Amino acid sequence: GAGVSQSPSNKVTEKGKDVELRCDPISGHTALYWYRQSLGQGLEFLIYFQGNSAPDKSGLPSDRFSAERTGGSVSTLTIQRTQQEDSAVYLCASSLARTDEAFFGQGTRLTVV
Amino acid sequence: AQSVSQHNHHVILSEAASLELGCNYSYGGTVNLFWYVQYPGQHLQLLLKYFSGDPLVKGIKGFEAEFIKSKFSFNLRKPSVQWSDTAEYFCAVNEGKSNYQLIWGAGTKLIIKP
Repeated sequence: GAGVSQSPSNKVTEKGKDVELRCDPISGHTALYWYRQSLGQGLEFLIYFQGNSAPDKSGLPSDRFSAERTGGSVSTLTIQRTQQEDSAVYLCASSLARTDEAFFGQGTRLTVV
Repeated sequence: AQSVSQHNHHVILSEAASLELGCNYSYGGTVNLFWYVQYPGQHLQLLLKYFSGDPLVKGIKGFEAEFIKSKFSFNLRKPSVQWSDTAEYFCAVNEGKSNYQLIWGAGTKLIIKP
């Protein structure tokens, strides 16, 4: 596609449920990032994928968070046993290389009730 | 830990006013600097970036930013704002070639009164 696509755009879930957020990066982009943006905060790095290398998971806030990237393209961020503090906008970005401009999707607004 | 500070969380200006949004970072080594903008209902997009060379960087829509290494600053400027500049502006820094991780400021919400 022309840009980074994320789905769903909005997700409301009950506390304790698992959720999956999807990111479809720009075709050919080898780098993929997940960020979290809480109200009034800057973007918080979660995880980074680069080609076939092992992902950098150093930003994941707890072991309830995991992500995978299949075939070097689509990525899924999974949050298990969601908590209210997980409520945020989850942003995905991709770039051609790690120092290049990152192109962002529109994000998934997650609300845990 | 590295940090990025955007001192103004909300700025309200009238059309044609001049704009300067502050951005300071804490890392002392080589840095790459970015300003991103998020218009209402749209995704984040790059406004301008500095990697090396001329410290005065020109971006899209008449924006520019000046990297002042001695002040650890990368302030965003525009001589005359328009109503369409209403958006949230984010400054971000990464530690040169050694670290791709972008460290983000909290953002500045800019409202331009028509």
